[in-house]
Amino acid sequence: AQSVAQPEDQVNVAEGNPLTVKCTYSVSGNPYLFWYVQYPNRGLQFLLKYITGDNLVKGSYGFEAEFNKSQTSFHLKKPSALVSDSALYFCAVRLRDDKIIFGKGTRLHILP
Amino acid sequence: GAVVSQHPSWVICKSGTSVKIECRSLDFQATTMFWYRQFPKQSLMLMATSNEGSKATYEQGVEKDKFLINHASLTLSTLTVTSAHPEDSSFYICSARALTGGARIGSNQPQHFGDGTRLSIL
Repeated sequence: AQSVAQPEDQVNVAEGNPLTVKCTYSVSGNPYLFWYVQYPNRGLQFLLKYITGDNLVKGSYGFEAEFNKSQTSFHLKKPSALVSDSALYFCAVRLRDDKIIFGKGTRLHILP
Repeated sequence: GAVVSQHPSWVICKSGTSVKIECRSLDFQATTMFWYRQFPKQSLMLMATSNEGSKATYEQGVEKDKFLINHASLTLSTLTVTSAHPEDSSFYICSARALTGGARIGSNQPQHFGDGTRLSIL
């Protein structure tokens, strides 16, 4: 079955420290991978995507993600966390029929 | 960038009422829009795929007569929750993907999401 896993419900990071939000996937074929962020009572905002090419993808707000085919992972990273980064983060994969499967989400808390 | 507007953002109504939610792509055309439902502290669950000019495709377990979808133009899709009951209370989110070169499927463009509609049925 095709799926996206975010193993951590919550990640706590001190402001200024690097952060990582983990994501692994299980899909057939080459995956189209995405990261979205959701603030309270809001829709999802697109952060970045991996389609093909360089395994390190840079996105909005200083975020980046590394595609690792052998480990089927697409972890989200940022070198220095800000308090304003606190939000709910979703990893997603797009299937061939254009549907998107989301992970369950990881709540990121940046501690001042 | 691509903007998706969803209206209303919040609605409270009595049980038995029908509620219409609009999803508009403001600066791009979208042949396909998606409707999701999100329960508290949970991920988004795809309800249906809205196709311009044709019938929507519903996911398994979603009642098509309960959740009516109309995609009348390339910039507007509507979701109507008919005869809403308290168990229909949820956060509903739409998304749309811009057309690129006429491609309908397999484009590498991301989906852009509306800000969601919080529906509360009393």
